[in-house]
Amino acid sequence: DAGVIQSPRHEVTEMGQEVTLRCKPISGHDYLFWYRQTMMRGLELLIYFNNNVPIDDSGMPEDRFSAKMPNASFSTLKIQPSEPRDSAVYFCASTPASGGQNGETQYFGPGTRLLVL
Amino acid sequence: SQKIEQNSEALNIQEGKTATLTCNYTNYSPAYLQWYRQDPGRGPVFLLLIRENEKEKRKERLKVTFDTTLKQSLFHITASQPADSATYLCAPAGGSYIPTFGRGTSLIVHP
Repeated sequence: DAGVIQSPRHEVTEMGQEVTLRCKPISGHDYLFWYRQTMMRGLELLIYFNNNVPIDDSGMPEDRFSAKMPNASFSTLKIQPSEPRDSAVYFCASTPASGGQNGETQYFGPGTRLLVL
Repeated sequence: SQKIEQNSEALNIQEGKTATLTCNYTNYSPAYLQWYRQDPGRGPVFLLLIRENEKEKRKERLKVTFDTTLKQSLFHITASQPADSATYLCAPAGGSYIPTFGRGTSLIVHP
């Protein structure tokens, strides 16, 4: 298995532009997570999906952020309009779910390094 | 609010020694706690999971303890090697069973 795939790996954009980050989870995994990592705040959960349905988006910083999962093999995180404070590394992770109580491992993608100028 | 504390300062040790990393949490009772390793420019990689009813878990040179009274987990690497140099994240999971990540502790093993 190729693991979690994210694209692009690096993105440089100007303030006000729309940014779309993409993620392909590991086949058969039921949960998909989007995280943001910065030096100041560490690894923050933004939103997660179970079987393509958003379960908790309380970590999404504001309305400029949106996420979708149209099918089991694809998810997007969109920022519109982007701001310099959105600069961070964005990770996607997936996990098989034979019941959350079992403490399933999260498998992370390589991340997208976003720089908003 | 839930809070996870890991040493923000890097831990420097000599090769062959045992590294011990600390994770403290407050304001919740996790059902389990995971430890991940993160190398620069990469995503975190799972290492170990310990449940609330377990005191200790081992995997090769790694050992994790979980003290629910102290609200603390310790992560040990015995016979440390320079290749163990990385950032280590603890991730307790509470009622939602979704882990929350600490900010991590950087470990540097000197040859």
